[in-house]
Amino acid sequence: ETGVTQSPTHLIKTRGQQVTLRCSSQSGHNTVSWYQQALGQGPQFIFQYYREEENGRGNFPPRFSGLQFPNYSSELNVNALELDDSALYLCASSSKAQGAISPLHFGNGTRLTVT
Amino acid sequence: QKEVEQDPGPLSVPEGAIVSLNCTYSNSAFQYFMWYRQYSRKGPELLMYTYSSGNKEDGRFTAQVDKSSKYISLFIRDSQPSDSATYLCANILTGGGNKLTFGTGTQLKVEL
Repeated sequence: ETGVTQSPTHLIKTRGQQVTLRCSSQSGHNTVSWYQQALGQGPQFIFQYYREEENGRGNFPPRFSGLQFPNYSSELNVNALELDDSALYLCASSSKAQGAISPLHFGNGTRLTVT
Repeated sequence: QKEVEQDPGPLSVPEGAIVSLNCTYSNSAFQYFMWYRQYSRKGPELLMYTYSSGNKEDGRFTAQVDKSSKYISLFIRDSQPSDSATYLCANILTGGGNKLTFGTGTQLKVEL
């Protein structure tokens, strides 16, 4: 069983630039969620995708956007980067079933540094 | 007030000790409770997952949920140096899909 994989592992960008982070879901999972984890904090929910549509969003501005592809892989895009966007970005996959909660399985994240 | 609170630690214990990690939450609508372990430079790894009040045991780990006091605990028996990590509690709202609300995590160090 292949776990959740994310790329790249590290990234350095300049304030104002745009960034795209990528995620491949765990085999058999159809739902992808993205979380932001600042240093010393717990992960914060950005949004979730199911069947290629956004299915829930946290308290993040519209410059955070995403995509889910037919093979359930996903991208997180952040425009107009700010210094506070520096964090570990975590992708998690799960298997959405009617009326059930499925535990999330996380990748090892992409460490984004904005200078 | 944060929805999920944890003491950040660090908590330092000798090898073989019983470790108690705690978490409180404020939202009564939380119905699902999880514990994740996160090693440095890694993603969170699911340890325990429970729905109801009471205890759930898995090997050296026991999760305890008291919904009446909104208190969640994770006990680790016979702690090992390999247990040194940050432990995150996470809750899910009823009808909230799979959105997890995390605490800040407690850093644990198990020393030889």
